Amino acid sequence: ETGVTQSPTHLIKTRGQQVTLRCSSQSGHNTVSWYQQALGQGPQFIFQYYREEENGRGNFPPRFSGLQFPNYSSELNVNALELDDSALYLCASNGGADRSRGTGTYNEQFFGPGTRLTVL
Amino acid sequence: ELKVEQNPLFLSMQEGKNYTIYCNYSTTSDRLYWYRQDPGKSLESLFVLLSNGAVKQEGRLMASLDTKARLSTLHITAAVHDLSATYFCAVGETSGSRLTFGEGTQLTVNP
Repeated sequence: ETGVTQSPTHLIKTRGQQVTLRCSSQSGHNTVSWYQQALGQGPQFIFQYYREEENGRGNFPPRFSGLQFPNYSSELNVNALELDDSALYLCASNGGADRSRGTGTYNEQFFGPGTRLTVL
Repeated sequence: ELKVEQNPLFLSMQEGKNYTIYCNYSTTSDRLYWYRQDPGKSLESLFVLLSNGAVKQEGRLMASLDTKARLSTLHITAAVHDLSATYFCAVGETSGSRLTFGEGTQLTVNP
C-alpha cells in the first residue's frame, strides 16, 4: 500500500508570487484534505476534496484554491503569496466513506510528509 | 465553532516520571485523535478514540476519552528520552472528516 506523498519537500518564493503544491493520496483513498501548519502551532484546515469536488473549507481567503484529479491526487494553489503564508503544508487522505471497525466508525486521516514553504 | 485546547503547552519532565496531557474540546464529537510530531516532520498517528470511555494503550502511552466531559487525556508512564516530541490532539467533525487540532504539547524528557 503506497502512502501519501507530497511534492516538493521545500520551496522558497517571494511575496506576490504564486505556488502550486502537489499531493498523491494513499492507494484506495478518495478524499484529500489540506492543512497549514505555521511554526509552533497546530495544523489549520484549509479545505477538503472528495471525488473531485470541494467538500468543506476552513477560514482561508479565496487566493487559496485547490483541485482534485480523477486519480484522487490533489493540488493546492496559493496566489499573491504573503509572508504569513510561510508554513508547513500537510496533505492528508482518507477513504471518504466511513469504515466500520470494532465499536465505531471513523475516517482516519493519513498525513503526507509535508511541503515547507518559505515566503521572502 | 469547534475549539480544542491542550494543556500544558510545554512539558519538561525527567526520565522515569509519569505525566498527563489534557485535551478539552468545545462541541460534541464522536472521534478524537492523538498525533505525534517530531521537529520538521509530519504527523504520526498514535491513537483513534471513537466512543465514550474508550481507552487505548501503546507502550508507555495511554489515551482515554470522556465524551460527556469533552475531555481526552494522554498519559505518559515512566517517560524515556525517545518520547520527546510535540503531541497534538485533534477532534473530528460529527459529519465529514475535517479535523480541528489543539495547539500541541511540546514534551521534553530529560535524562
